[in-house]
Amino acid sequence: GESVGLHLPTLSVQEGDNSIINCAYSNSASDYFIWYKQESGKGPQFIIDIRSNMDKRQGQRVTVLLNKTVKHLSLQIAATQPGDSAVYFCAEAGGSQGNLIFGKGTKLSVKP
Amino acid sequence: GAGVSQSPRYKVAKRGQDVALRCDPISGHVSLFWYQQALGQGPEFLTYFQNEAQLDKSGLPSDRFFAERPEGSVSTLKIQRTQQEDSAVYLCASSLKDDGEQYFGPGTRLTVT
Repeated sequence: GESVGLHLPTLSVQEGDNSIINCAYSNSASDYFIWYKQESGKGPQFIIDIRSNMDKRQGQRVTVLLNKTVKHLSLQIAATQPGDSAVYFCAEAGGSQGNLIFGKGTKLSVKP
Repeated sequence: GAGVSQSPRYKVAKRGQDVALRCDPISGHVSLFWYQQALGQGPEFLTYFQNEAQLDKSGLPSDRFFAERPEGSVSTLKIQRTQQEDSAVYLCASSLKDDGEQYFGPGTRLTVT
């Protein structure tokens, strides 16, 4: 079936280092991808998105890369801070109505 | 309020009870989505509204689940005869248009005992 998954369930980095969180998707028809951050007890919070006509998009301290050839999505966080500790989900949307398909998530822990 | 709100934040129900979960989307947002998030998992789509019309309910796990949005703003997710497997966080999200950025509420954590 169509699914979105993540390579690593947990990631631990030192404060100040860069973090890279990966995601694989299987639906080649998906044309919109989003990264969400979810802190404990809260709903997912939008970080950055990218459409399939792009391969890179940058935000504040975050960059999303999309490789459609191998159906791979990554989130890069520069100078990771303790406040970045959370679970990160990638999600894809391919339907006209926009409902999202989420992966299982990667838990990012930042060591001070 | 500026964001999506949900109530109650926590709900404990005895097996077999009916529950109703409320979502207040961002004012003016046309699209409203419900998701179910099991512990340690990503959210899974339940149902979708465009204004008051329920356009997709393919994710509802059984006919015990029912959602409505009668006036195109507030939505209610109702679960009848709750079962233990219904225990999860129920998330509501709204967006200005169909394929726009979805803003999530804090969720309602449902525990069925």
